[in-house]
Amino acid sequence: EDQVTQSPEALRLQEGESSSLNCSYTVSGLRGLFWYRQDPGKGPEFLFTLYSAGEEKEKERLKATLTKKESFLHITAPKPEDSATYLCAVPNQAGTALIFGKGTTLSVSS
Amino acid sequence: GAGVSQSPSNKVTEKGKDVELRCDPISGHTALYWYRQSLGQGLEFLIYFQGNSAPDKSGLPSDRFSAERTGGSVSTLTIQRTQQEDSAVYLCASSFGTSEETQYFGPGTRLLVL
Repeated sequence: EDQVTQSPEALRLQEGESSSLNCSYTVSGLRGLFWYRQDPGKGPEFLFTLYSAGEEKEKERLKATLTKKESFLHITAPKPEDSATYLCAVPNQAGTALIFGKGTTLSVSS
Repeated sequence: GAGVSQSPSNKVTEKGKDVELRCDPISGHTALYWYRQSLGQGLEFLIYFQGNSAPDKSGLPSDRFSAERTGGSVSTLTIQRTQQEDSAVYLCASSFGTSEETQYFGPGTRLLVL
């Protein structure tokens, strides 16, 4: 059964304190790994898609990387506005839905 | 351009009543998805529409749940005889094709069943 597991569930950082969020997956034949950001009371906002091991993508203070078994979302020198829940997801076998992890809730304090 | 819109943004109903939730996808997107997000849970797939193909209903939790998509655009999710466990945020997303394409989400409808 395809699964997505994210860790940690929650992460508290001081402003400027870099860290990484983990997303491990078990799928047969990865056809993309998606990262989303979700703010309280809002829908998920697309960040990145990664398709092959070794691929990296960056946006401002965020960098996503992909291996054959997991993906990391690296946050460099975070700011309070980076506080949100970060979700990762992979397509199901039928191509009809994304399978989501439960997310990592990031809190950055100044 | 306009994103995915959903209405109502909030809905409070009594147990046993029927509710309808609406989703307007991004213009030109052929695929439309409904997900449910319960407190402390991840996003749970409900149903998928793609063009004129038969929908994938495999995620609907019971026969009280149904959805339709008219004219390949607007979709309505209907929950009959609502139960307290139906309380959740219902999210709609759309994309150009299958779930391998980027899905763009609406703001969700927060449903509370009393």
